[in-house]
Amino acid sequence: GAGVSQSPSNKVTEKGKDVELRCDPISGHTALYWYRQSLGQGLEFLIYFQGNSAPDKSGLPSDRFSAERTGGSVSTLTIQRTQQEDSAVYLCASSSRPDSPLHFGNGTRLTVT
Amino acid sequence: AQSVTQPDIHITVSEGASLELRCNYSYGATPYLFWYVQSPGQGLQLLLKYFSGDTLVQGIKGFEAEFKRSQSSFNLRKPSVHWSDAAEYFCAVGATGGYNKLIFGAGTRLAVHP
Repeated sequence: GAGVSQSPSNKVTEKGKDVELRCDPISGHTALYWYRQSLGQGLEFLIYFQGNSAPDKSGLPSDRFSAERTGGSVSTLTIQRTQQEDSAVYLCASSSRPDSPLHFGNGTRLTVT
Repeated sequence: AQSVTQPDIHITVSEGASLELRCNYSYGATPYLFWYVQSPGQGLQLLLKYFSGDTLVQGIKGFEAEFKRSQSSFNLRKPSVHWSDAAEYFCAVGATGGYNKLIFGAGTRLAVHP
């Protein structure tokens, strides 16, 4: 079946603007994650959703970052008042169970000018 | 706190040579351990995972990894590298008994010479 889908694949925005990044997980996957990959660095955990439980937001770097997951499926990561240091690839992943391996999307490359 | 160290940022090998990518983790209990590969322009793909049992795990594309508790290591190996193996490799550790919140290493970029 279809994998994890992210849109847009590329986003260029001006400093100070808000952006929304979208993730469509694999159908039936209850767990959804957002990670950030900055140039030359590993993946940084941002936020985790599991079913109807309260999300784990412990990785969000500032209050400019927020995420929601509607209907237990699609998720949107919102960055307000973007800064240049927000430039990175934002990766979404989903899994069928908490102890199942993650399936990653191809990411959204965000460039803040 | 959990952490993962990949000591080698870049590695270059000749095609047909053997490969070992190092990974050391820090975690108080028995961890879940993973290796992912990220090829240019592609998403992360799971190579293999260790949850429990046999400490030598086999993965896709001819890769294997060995969990050594005494050394807190989970090194990735391949006996003969192919040019298509050129990519970035990430080691990750997850918490057991809880959800799959992975902590990733910084990655090792592999170049393969013909």
